This record gives sequence, C-alpha cells and structure tokens, in this order.
Amino acid sequence: DTAVSQTPKYLVTQMGNDKSIKCEQNLGHDTMYWYKQDSKKFLKIMFSYNNKELIINETVPNRFSPKSPDKAHLNLHINSLELGDSAVYFCASSDTSSGLYNEQFFGPGTRLTVL
Amino acid sequence: AQSVTQPDIHITVSEGASLELRCNYSYGATPYLFWYVQSPGQGLQLLLKYFSGDTLVQGIKGFEAEFKRSQSSFNLRKPSVHWSDAAEYFCAVEYNYGQNFVFGPGTRLSVLP
Repeated sequence: DTAVSQTPKYLVTQMGNDKSIKCEQNLGHDTMYWYKQDSKKFLKIMFSYNNKELIINETVPNRFSPKSPDKAHLNLHINSLELGDSAVYFCASSDTSSGLYNEQFFGPGTRLTVL
Repeated sequence: AQSVTQPDIHITVSEGASLELRCNYSYGATPYLFWYVQSPGQGLQLLLKYFSGDTLVQGIKGFEAEFKRSQSSFNLRKPSVHWSDAAEYFCAVEYNYGQNFVFGPGTRLSVLP
C-alpha cells in the first residue's frame, strides 16, 4: 500500500546510455514532481506535472524528459547519461486541486550512478 | 527569488537534550512552510507544516515549530532528543499553489548516547 513508489531503487550505468526511472502514486494526487538530490544532500526540483501538463522546468538539460502516461505515473527519461547525473532522484506527489497548499509525499528515491 | 536558508550544516546533541534547528525564508507573500526529515537511505517524511493560524505548530515524533513573520523564521524544536532522531532535516517553502517548492540545504543532526 505504498503511497509513492519508484523503480528501480538503484541504477548503475555507463556514460552515454539512456535510462528511465518510473514513479507511481496511489494517492489520487493531481501533481507529481521530480527532484534531484546531489552528494551534498541539496534537493532541487526538476519538474512538476499537473494533469499531464508540464508546469515547471527548472533549467534542467533537455537530456532529461518527464513522461506522464496517466495521472498516477510520472516517469523520468534520461538520454546520453553524464557523470554529473549521478545523484539520488526523488519522485513526489501533491494534491493541488483544491487551490490550497498541501504537502508533498515523497518516494523512497532512486540512486543513479553513472560510471 | 524565493529561498530557504538553514544556517547550521551539522548539529550534534546528546540524547535527552533539547534541540532547535533554524530555518529562514525569503518570500514576498504569505509563506507556506514545511519541515521534512530524511533518515539515511530513505525518502523524505513530513514532520509538520504551517499554512495559517496558530504560529506554533505541532508535528509528529514530538517536534514543534514556530513561525515568526517578523524574523522570517520557522525554527524546529524538540524538548528531548532520542537517538532515532539522527537524520537530515529540511525546511521548505511552497508557493504558486503547489507548483513549486524550494528546499533549504538541510541540517544533519547527530545524537550522542
């Protein structure tokens, strides 16, 4: 009954490869997010998706592309992986439909290591 | 631009001692503030949140936080720390009705037996 799940938990790959990380939420939320947490634990938002529309893209390289097949899923595709992409990636979701502020629920994270 | 600062990168306290983690924010409108905790190798868990009303908010695990508009602060407190509280703590501000969150750099808490 996990609220926000991510797969895989660990991902090790070579530079130049293309990879995807999947995220699913069963909370019925309308907005989902991707965050990158670097080695210093700094969390930075990468994308947010509201009702299948991208509403934020925070100067993220276009090698990163979020894809949302439906409201419950937001997958992250990364092309031509670079060493600097090594980080922990977190998916999160939030209910913004009421127009009120609500907290985000986070997934367990995916540790990406690029060799 | 909106920002969140947490002046203390790392704090060490003894078990049973009191704790205060500092958070300051920069945001022109009414802030919506959160504290999250991240245990090693885990995702983030919400401790508490402030939207409006009483400026002293209670959270889980015995934590509380006080919003002070005049100081642009939202400090987290706990009267008696337990060894299991050792973790990374993040302060965050939400704006644009959930379209964006800004997290502080985090404070790592170590607890001595």
